[in-house]
Amino acid sequence: GQSLEQPSEVTAVEGAIVQINCTYQTSGFYGLSWYQQHDGGAPTFLSYNGLDGLEETGRFSSFLSRSDSYGYLLLQELQMKDSASYFCAVRGDAGAGSYQLTFGKGTKLSVIP
Amino acid sequence: DAGVTQSPTHLIKTRGQQVTLRCSPKSGHDTVSWYQQALGQGPQFIFQYYEEEERQRGNFPDRFSGHQFPNYSSELNVNALLLGDSALYLCASSSIYSGGAFSNEQFFGPGTRLTVL
Repeated sequence: GQSLEQPSEVTAVEGAIVQINCTYQTSGFYGLSWYQQHDGGAPTFLSYNGLDGLEETGRFSSFLSRSDSYGYLLLQELQMKDSASYFCAVRGDAGAGSYQLTFGKGTKLSVIP
Repeated sequence: DAGVTQSPTHLIKTRGQQVTLRCSPKSGHDTVSWYQQALGQGPQFIFQYYEEEERQRGNFPDRFSGHQFPNYSSELNVNALLLGDSALYLCASSSIYSGGAFSNEQFFGPGTRLTVL
């Protein structure tokens, strides 16, 4: 099976930087993704890491260490609109179910003035 | 370009009833996945449809069934509704041409909020 751990809540100040960590356990591994979901909205894809290292997309960056089964999402220059829930998600290998995307329980980010 | 659409947006049912939820994928997408999201939780995978067949199923009972049509749209059916089935039901689509089934990028619809009384 697959499981993911991420903090339930994080609060940060507008303009600051925040890091949301995610550790995972999976019988296979086919990439770590991050999704954002505003209250009442649909999850939207932010980033994907298939290999170790840092991926940068604008103010958002995502990091993966496969040897540590660990990744994080880094949000820079926080804006009020970044207040949302952030989910990490993994897909296992073909033997464990490569089509199933398993999500963490989510981290609720609150950006304060 | 229309994104993923779902209908209805809200639904209220009573225990024991049956419900059908509908999803139209993003234009050009051939794969549809369904998720259940309880309040304060992450989406949980129900099943995925590709080429009109259920390709994989999550840990959900047989009361949950689905269908995919030739135009790639999909339905989720839930029989014998229980109070615990109250949740947001999300449909997500993806395309083989953007990584196919192995693409972690899925496009989600706005969901159907199901309330079972």
